[in-house]
Amino acid sequence: GEDVEQSLFLSVREGDSSVINCTYTDSSSTYLYWYKQEPGAGLQLLTYIFSNMDMKQDQRLTVLLNKKDKHLSLRIADTQTGDSAIYFCAEMDTGTASKLTFGTGTRLQVTL
Amino acid sequence: ETGVTQSPTHLIKTRGQQVTLRCSSQSGHNTVSWYQQALGQGPQFIFQYYREEENGRGNFPPRFSGLQFPNYSSELNVNALELDDSALYLCASSYLGAPPEEAFFGQGTRLTVV
Repeated sequence: GEDVEQSLFLSVREGDSSVINCTYTDSSSTYLYWYKQEPGAGLQLLTYIFSNMDMKQDQRLTVLLNKKDKHLSLRIADTQTGDSAIYFCAEMDTGTASKLTFGTGTRLQVTL
Repeated sequence: ETGVTQSPTHLIKTRGQQVTLRCSSQSGHNTVSWYQQALGQGPQFIFQYYREEENGRGNFPPRFSGLQFPNYSSELNVNALELDDSALYLCASSYLGAPPEEAFFGQGTRLTVV
């Protein structure tokens, strides 16, 4: 079955870059996603990458995909205090239903 | 503002009771997926409805059931509530086959079972 793993916690100083890592197991995933969840809120889609790409840049966000190692990373440049949240990576299984399999989330803490 | 509304936002139920959670889809969307997010965990897929039919189910027992209505809004029903059912329940609205950026999550319903 699918399994998605992330480290639990990351602390960075404001203005530094953050890199959040994720490993997944389902090699048939078509899309891989990064979601942000702030306290008491739902999930906000930050960015996604199609499985035939190895990099995608969107303003301060850079996604890198290593399909061989099944490793996905999210780099946030110039991290701000408003970036403090839990970040989930997810893979999409487009079998019977387009379901997302999420990791356990990485809590990003941004300090001054 | 995603246009996906869930109700209620919070509720407390007693073990053994039944609960119904509601989700209104974004206009034009025909697919609703439900997820359970236990504290400190990532969301887990419960099931998906497409055009009023169940279109896939995760590893949840039959006491978790759902409905989708002609206007594509949806309900999640949970019977015989257990303490472990305490979680944030999220629904996601989309159009089947649409690109990922066109799927939106609601704010969730926080269910506490005591």
